[in-house]
Amino acid sequence: GQSLEQPSEVTAVEGAIVQINCTYQTSGFYGLSWYQQHDGGAPTFLSYNALDGLEETGRFSSFLSRSDSYGYLLLQELQMKDSASYFCAPSSGTYKYIFGTGTRLKVLA
Amino acid sequence: DAMVIQNPRYQVTQFGKPVTLSCSQTLNHNVMYWYQQKSSQAPKLLFHYYDKDFNNEADTPDNFQSRRPNTSFCFLDIRSPGLGDAAMYLCATSRDAGNEQFFGPGTRLTVL
Repeated sequence: GQSLEQPSEVTAVEGAIVQINCTYQTSGFYGLSWYQQHDGGAPTFLSYNALDGLEETGRFSSFLSRSDSYGYLLLQELQMKDSASYFCAPSSGTYKYIFGTGTRLKVLA
Repeated sequence: DAMVIQNPRYQVTQFGKPVTLSCSQTLNHNVMYWYQQKSSQAPKLLFHYYDKDFNNEADTPDNFQSRRPNTSFCFLDIRSPGLGDAAMYLCATSRDAGNEQFFGPGTRLTVL
């Protein structure tokens, strides 16, 4: 079967660092993607990890451990505009992505 | 600019009246996806095409059909919309396996 877990909500203050964890059980796992979605908007791609380790893109970093079926998204120097939902999406088999339930991040001033 | 376009952005239909949502892409990507997203929920994959090969999710209702007449266009047909089908429908593309998905702005469907 397939399962996916991420926290439902995280709250942090501006300038802080926050980590959003994702654990998955996915048959035919290829890699792990992260998407950001603001209310009323479409998901936008943040990062993709196919190999173990850390990928850094500006203020955002993503980590994957294939042996632990675990990944996380790290957001640094939080800004108000980072308030959004964040989805991890393991790719399952070929070309197929399953979205997690999403983590709603609230950034407080 | 290369992009994913969805039309219409808002669609209102009556219970049981067929509706078609369209998606086009200028990215020349191999893969096109349709997702359904209800309020405060994750996008749920309905089906995807790799080129002309259609892949239906096991739990996608038969009421939902799709067509991809060429690389650029993909359609979602809802044959008999029910109240439970009211949602945002998102089209996405990706070049190949494991690549970034590019999402269109979505079509918000209301069923009266």
